[in-house]
Amino acid sequence: DSGVTQTPKHLITATGQRVTLRCSPRSGDLSVYWYQQSLDQGLQFLIQYYNGEERAKGNILERFSAQQFPDLHSELNLSSLELGDSALYFCASSVALTSNEGQNEQFFGPGTRLTVL
Amino acid sequence: ELKVEQNPLFLSMQEGKNYTIYCNYSTTSDRLYWYRQDPGKSLESLFVLLSNGAVKQEGRLMASLDTKARLSTLHITAAVHDLSATYFCAVDGNFNKFYFGSGTKLNVKP
Repeated sequence: DSGVTQTPKHLITATGQRVTLRCSPRSGDLSVYWYQQSLDQGLQFLIQYYNGEERAKGNILERFSAQQFPDLHSELNLSSLELGDSALYFCASSVALTSNEGQNEQFFGPGTRLTVL
Repeated sequence: ELKVEQNPLFLSMQEGKNYTIYCNYSTTSDRLYWYRQDPGKSLESLFVLLSNGAVKQEGRLMASLDTKARLSTLHITAAVHDLSATYFCAVDGNFNKFYFGSGTKLNVKP
């Protein structure tokens, strides 16, 4: 158990809908990262937040957005869902802000499996 | 954009044999990570390699990093069935972006 929690574990919804995935980082970690894992795209970095602020952006679609709240939990919002959005969504957390701060090892949550029908 | 290539993508081996997984990346980085993923599960951190020449070992797995060659290896010694999983390398690019390889699916046959 990495100490990172994600809810829900599974989510089944229809095309065009909007969903929210939730993540709580490990105690003491200020950085939260979101990833998408699909069979055809592999593991893709979406976005990173540090202490409430967006710090890095990857291959995140405009239909997707995220935020990190004062208690450091984070939410990933996916809207106008398409069949191709079906994937496993992981949240990870780490202590460091930048690569110069220690190992920046990321610890992954159990993931949310999203199925869009 | 930083590219990370792993090979092989699939590896089927007998118990007791040795093998190496390779991870090449396209631009300079001093930080490389290895993760293990069991089917349907999350990613488990295995090794953190932070400098050129770094070598770390845990049980039957040993990881190394050559930043000049932009190459990391994950060596498996005397494989056992419990090592069957998918192994990912990840490179810490600029501004905290992690770039993952495609993964190597390892199947160790008893």
